[in-house]
Amino acid sequence: GENVEQHPSTLSVQEGDSAVIKCTYSDSASNYFPWYKQELGKGPQLIIDIRSNVGEKKDQRIAVTLNKTAKHFSLHITETQPEDSAVYFCAARNQFYFGTGTSLTVIP
Amino acid sequence: DAGVIQSPRHEVTEMGQEVTLRCKPISGHDYLFWYRQTMMRGLELLIYFNNNVPIDDSGMPEDRFSAKMPNASFSTLKIQPSEPRDSAVYFCASSATRGENTGELFFGEGSRLTVL
Repeated sequence: GENVEQHPSTLSVQEGDSAVIKCTYSDSASNYFPWYKQELGKGPQLIIDIRSNVGEKKDQRIAVTLNKTAKHFSLHITETQPEDSAVYFCAARNQFYFGTGTSLTVIP
Repeated sequence: DAGVIQSPRHEVTEMGQEVTLRCKPISGHDYLFWYRQTMMRGLELLIYFNNNVPIDDSGMPEDRFSAKMPNASFSTLKIQPSEPRDSAVYFCASSATRGENTGELFFGEGSRLTVL
Protein backbone atom coordinates (compact mmCIF):
# COMPACT_ATOMS: atom_id res chain seq x y z
CA GLY A 1 0.00 0.00 0.00
CA GLU A 2 0.90 3.65 -0.02
CA ASN A 3 3.46 4.92 2.45
CA VAL A 4 3.50 8.63 3.22
CA GLU A 5 6.37 9.69 5.41
CA GLN A 6 6.42 13.15 6.92
CA HIS A 7 9.35 14.86 8.63
CA PRO A 8 10.00 16.32 11.08
CA SER A 9 7.38 15.27 13.61
CA THR A 10 8.00 18.41 15.66
CA LEU A 11 9.47 21.75 14.66
CA SER A 12 10.13 24.87 16.69
CA VAL A 13 11.14 28.13 15.04
CA GLN A 14 11.55 31.71 16.10
CA GLU A 15 8.94 34.14 14.89
CA GLY A 16 10.00 35.51 11.52
CA ASP A 17 12.06 32.47 10.58
CA SER A 18 11.11 29.96 7.89
CA ALA A 19 9.74 26.47 8.42
CA VAL A 20 10.01 23.55 6.02
CA ILE A 21 8.14 20.25 6.26
CA LYS A 22 8.78 17.40 3.87
CA CYS A 23 6.73 14.43 2.76
CA THR A 24 7.71 11.44 0.66
CA TYR A 25 5.31 9.02 -0.98
CA SER A 26 5.61 5.74 -2.80
CA ASP A 27 2.65 5.55 -5.20
CA SER A 28 3.63 6.83 -8.65
CA ALA A 29 -0.05 7.28 -9.48
CA SER A 30 -0.46 10.04 -6.89
CA ASN A 31 -1.25 13.27 -8.68
CA TYR A 32 -2.67 15.56 -6.01
CA PHE A 33 -0.67 16.76 -3.01
CA PRO A 34 -2.44 18.85 -0.38
CA TRP A 35 -1.28 20.30 2.90
CA TYR A 36 -3.71 20.67 5.78
CA LYS A 37 -3.39 22.67 8.99
CA GLN A 38 -5.07 21.41 12.14
CA GLU A 39 -5.56 23.61 15.16
CA LEU A 40 -6.34 22.21 18.58
CA GLY A 41 -9.86 20.83 18.79
CA LYS A 42 -10.59 21.48 15.13
CA GLY A 43 -10.67 19.49 11.93
CA PRO A 44 -7.88 19.81 9.37
CA GLN A 45 -8.17 22.71 6.94
CA LEU A 46 -6.57 22.90 3.52
CA ILE A 47 -3.93 25.60 3.26
CA ILE A 48 -2.35 24.83 -0.10
CA ASP A 49 -2.29 22.07 -2.70
CA ILE A 50 -0.44 21.19 -5.85
CA ARG A 51 -1.14 18.92 -8.78
CA SER A 52 1.43 16.76 -10.51
CA ASN A 53 1.75 18.93 -13.59
CA VAL A 54 3.18 21.81 -11.54
CA GLY A 55 6.50 21.99 -9.71
CA GLU A 56 5.79 24.86 -7.33
CA LYS A 57 2.87 26.87 -6.05
CA LYS A 58 2.89 29.90 -3.81
CA ASP A 59 0.24 31.68 -1.79
CA GLN A 60 1.57 34.65 0.16
CA ARG A 61 3.81 33.22 2.91
CA ILE A 62 3.09 29.61 2.03
CA ALA A 63 4.57 27.59 -0.81
CA VAL A 64 4.60 23.96 -1.85
CA THR A 65 7.23 22.35 -4.05
CA LEU A 66 6.89 18.99 -5.77
CA ASN A 67 9.55 16.66 -7.11
CA LYS A 68 7.70 13.83 -8.85
CA THR A 69 10.87 12.04 -9.85
CA ALA A 70 12.07 11.80 -6.27
CA LYS A 71 8.48 11.42 -4.99
CA HIS A 72 8.61 14.14 -2.41
CA PHE A 73 6.91 17.43 -1.78
CA SER A 74 7.52 20.12 0.78
CA LEU A 75 5.66 22.87 2.58
CA HIS A 76 7.49 26.13 3.07
CA ILE A 77 6.26 28.81 5.45
CA THR A 78 8.18 32.08 5.45
CA GLU A 79 8.08 34.89 8.00
CA THR A 80 6.41 32.61 10.51
CA GLN A 81 3.95 34.06 13.00
CA PRO A 82 2.64 32.65 16.30
CA GLU A 83 -0.71 31.89 14.64
CA ASP A 84 1.11 29.46 12.33
CA SER A 85 1.54 27.17 15.36
CA ALA A 86 -0.50 24.04 14.62
CA VAL A 87 -0.17 20.50 13.32
CA TYR A 88 0.40 20.20 9.58
CA PHE A 89 -0.46 17.14 7.50
CA CYS A 90 0.43 16.14 3.98
CA ALA A 91 -1.55 13.64 1.95
CA ALA A 92 -1.04 11.53 -1.16
CA ARG A 93 -2.75 8.93 -3.27
CA ASN A 94 -5.95 10.90 -3.62
CA GLN A 95 -6.02 11.66 0.11
CA PHE A 96 -6.42 8.03 1.04
CA TYR A 97 -3.20 8.35 3.00
CA PHE A 98 -2.05 11.15 5.27
CA GLY A 99 1.33 11.78 6.80
CA THR A 100 1.70 11.45 10.56
CA GLY A 101 1.76 15.19 11.09
CA THR A 102 4.25 17.88 12.10
CA SER A 103 3.64 19.91 15.21
CA LEU A 104 4.92 23.40 14.47
CA THR A 105 5.58 25.85 17.28
CA VAL A 106 6.45 29.45 16.47
CA ILE A 107 8.14 31.12 19.40
CA PRO A 108 7.35 34.83 19.74
CA ASP B 1 -22.86 27.58 4.69
CA ALA B 2 -22.38 26.16 8.19
CA GLY B 3 -19.76 23.71 7.05
CA VAL B 4 -19.68 19.99 7.81
CA ILE B 5 -21.61 19.31 10.98
CA GLN B 6 -20.83 16.34 13.19
CA SER B 7 -22.53 15.05 16.30
CA PRO B 8 -21.93 14.31 19.03
CA ARG B 9 -18.74 16.28 19.67
CA HIS B 10 -17.88 14.05 22.58
CA GLU B 11 -19.03 10.56 23.44
CA VAL B 12 -18.03 8.46 26.41
CA THR B 13 -19.37 4.95 26.50
CA GLU B 14 -18.65 1.58 27.96
CA MET B 15 -17.18 -1.35 26.15
CA GLY B 16 -19.83 -3.36 24.35
CA GLN B 17 -22.20 -0.47 23.79
CA GLU B 18 -23.35 0.70 20.37
CA VAL B 19 -22.04 4.05 19.18
CA THR B 20 -23.53 6.10 16.36
CA LEU B 21 -21.74 9.13 14.95
CA ARG B 22 -23.55 11.51 12.63
CA CYS B 23 -22.53 13.82 9.85
CA LYS B 24 -24.19 16.45 7.71
CA PRO B 25 -22.04 17.34 4.70
CA ILE B 26 -21.91 20.68 2.95
CA SER B 27 -24.87 21.07 0.66
CA GLY B 28 -23.98 20.30 -2.95
CA HIS B 29 -20.95 18.20 -2.14
CA ASP B 30 -21.15 14.78 -3.73
CA TYR B 31 -18.32 13.05 -1.84
CA LEU B 32 -18.37 12.17 1.86
CA PHE B 33 -15.52 10.66 3.83
CA TRP B 34 -15.08 9.19 7.29
CA TYR B 35 -11.60 9.38 8.86
CA ARG B 36 -10.30 8.24 12.21
CA GLN B 37 -7.48 10.05 14.01
CA THR B 38 -5.32 8.58 16.76
CA MET B 39 -1.90 9.49 18.08
CA MET B 40 -0.50 6.14 17.05
CA ARG B 41 -1.90 5.86 13.53
CA GLY B 42 -2.62 9.44 12.55
CA LEU B 43 -5.44 10.09 10.08
CA GLU B 44 -6.89 6.97 8.49
CA LEU B 45 -9.54 6.87 5.80
CA LEU B 46 -12.29 4.46 6.83
CA ILE B 47 -14.80 4.77 4.01
CA TYR B 48 -16.01 7.19 1.41
CA PHE B 49 -19.23 7.73 -0.53
CA ASN B 50 -19.97 9.28 -3.90
CA ASN B 51 -23.55 10.36 -4.51
CA ASN B 52 -24.60 8.41 -1.40
CA VAL B 53 -23.05 5.15 -2.66
CA PRO B 54 -20.16 3.58 -0.71
CA ILE B 55 -17.16 3.45 -3.03
CA ASP B 56 -14.33 2.15 -0.89
CA ASP B 57 -14.70 0.71 2.60
CA SER B 58 -11.34 -1.04 2.71
CA GLY B 59 -10.28 1.12 5.62
CA MET B 60 -13.09 -0.03 7.88
CA PRO B 61 -11.24 -1.95 10.60
CA GLU B 62 -13.66 -4.82 11.03
CA ASP B 63 -17.26 -5.89 10.88
CA ARG B 64 -18.07 -4.00 14.05
CA PHE B 65 -17.92 -0.83 11.96
CA SER B 66 -20.61 0.13 9.49
CA ALA B 67 -21.47 3.34 7.65
CA LYS B 68 -24.53 4.49 5.79
CA MET B 69 -25.57 7.46 3.73
CA PRO B 70 -29.34 7.31 3.29
CA ASN B 71 -29.48 10.68 1.52
CA ALA B 72 -27.24 13.48 0.32
CA SER B 73 -27.43 15.40 3.58
CA PHE B 74 -26.81 12.72 6.20
CA SER B 75 -24.40 9.93 7.03
CA THR B 76 -23.79 7.72 10.04
CA LEU B 77 -20.86 5.70 11.30
CA LYS B 78 -21.83 2.96 13.70
CA ILE B 79 -19.67 0.83 15.96
CA GLN B 80 -21.30 -2.21 17.51
CA PRO B 81 -20.04 -3.47 19.89
CA SER B 82 -17.53 -0.79 20.82
CA GLU B 83 -14.12 -1.61 22.29
CA PRO B 84 -11.54 0.54 24.12
CA ARG B 85 -9.25 0.46 21.07
CA ASP B 86 -11.93 2.30 19.11
CA SER B 87 -11.23 5.40 21.19
CA ALA B 88 -10.25 8.13 18.72
CA VAL B 89 -11.46 11.28 17.05
CA TYR B 90 -13.68 10.50 14.09
CA PHE B 91 -13.85 13.09 11.34
CA CYS B 92 -16.35 13.45 8.58
CA ALA B 93 -15.34 15.41 5.49
CA SER B 94 -17.10 16.36 2.29
CA SER B 95 -15.88 17.44 -1.09
CA ALA B 96 -17.07 18.61 -4.46
CA THR B 97 -14.31 17.24 -6.63
CA ARG B 98 -13.31 17.13 -10.24
CA GLY B 99 -12.15 13.59 -9.90
CA GLU B 100 -11.86 10.90 -7.33
CA ASN B 101 -10.74 12.44 -4.09
CA THR B 102 -8.55 15.05 -5.74
CA GLY B 103 -9.98 18.22 -4.35
CA GLU B 104 -10.21 20.10 -1.10
CA LEU B 105 -11.69 18.16 1.77
CA PHE B 106 -13.86 20.15 4.17
CA PHE B 107 -13.63 18.54 7.58
CA GLY B 108 -16.07 18.73 10.44
CA GLU B 109 -14.84 19.43 13.95
CA GLY B 110 -14.79 15.74 14.79
CA SER B 111 -16.42 13.42 17.29
CA ARG B 112 -14.16 12.42 20.15
CA LEU B 113 -15.04 8.89 21.24
CA THR B 114 -13.85 7.36 24.47
CA VAL B 115 -14.69 3.73 25.14
CA LEU B 116 -14.09 2.68 28.73
